[in-house]
Amino acid sequence: EAGVVQSPRYKIIEKKQPVAFWCNPISGHNTLYWYRQNLGQGPELLIRYENEEAVDDSQLPKDRFSAERLKGVDSTLKIQPAELGDSAVYLCASSLDKAASGGGEQFFGPGTRLTVL
Amino acid sequence: AQSVTQLDSHVSVSEGTPVLLRCNYSSSYSPSLFWYVQHPNKGLQLLLKYTSAATLVKGINGFEAEFKKSETSFHLTKPSAHMSDAAEYFCLMDTGRRALTFGSGTRLQVQP
Repeated sequence: EAGVVQSPRYKIIEKKQPVAFWCNPISGHNTLYWYRQNLGQGPELLIRYENEEAVDDSQLPKDRFSAERLKGVDSTLKIQPAELGDSAVYLCASSLDKAASGGGEQFFGPGTRLTVL
Repeated sequence: AQSVTQLDSHVSVSEGTPVLLRCNYSSSYSPSLFWYVQHPNKGLQLLLKYTSAATLVKGINGFEAEFKKSETSFHLTKPSAHMSDAAEYFCLMDTGRRALTFGSGTRLQVQP
C-alpha cells in the first residue's frame, strides 16, 4: 500500500514569491492534516480536513496561507507571498478515522522542506 | 487552554538501560494521547496510542506508556535501550475537533 505522497520534497524560493505544496493521502483516508515543523520543534497543525470540509483551521495564517482539498482526496497548501519566517518543513498526514473521534493514527508523508531566501 | 509539555528536550542513556521520556498534558476534554518517533530524514511513525481504553498501553519496539489522569501524564518507557532507539520523540494530544497539539520533542541519545 502506498503511503502519503508529498511533492516537491525540497523548494527554494525568494521571499515574496508564491509556493504550493501537494499531498496525496492514503487511499480511503477521510482526514487529512497539514503541519508546519520548524527546526527543533514539534509539528504545528495548520489545517485539518474531514473529507473536503476544513474542520480546524484556527492556526492557519489566512492572510497568506490557503489550502484546498477538492473531492476529498488530494490537497494543496499555498503560501502567497512567502516570508523568510516561512522556512520550515511542511508535513502532510492522513487518517482513516474522522476528526471528531480524535483517536486516529496519523500516517505522515516525508514532508516538503521550504527555504525562503 | 490545551497544551502538551515534554519535560526534557534531551535524554541520554546507555545501551541496555531503561528509557523514560516524560509528557504532561493539559486539557478540558478527554484526550487521546500518542507517542510518535522521528528518525533523521524519516517520516513520523506511531509508537503507541491511548484512546480511553486500558491505561497501560504497549507499542512497537518494546515501548509502553501509562496514562495517569490524576497526574495528567503520559510518560513513555522502555526497559532496555537499543542503539536504534536514538531519535526524536513527540507526544501528541488530540481532543477531536477541538484541539490537536504536539509537544516540542525529546531527543534521545543512546550511548554504547
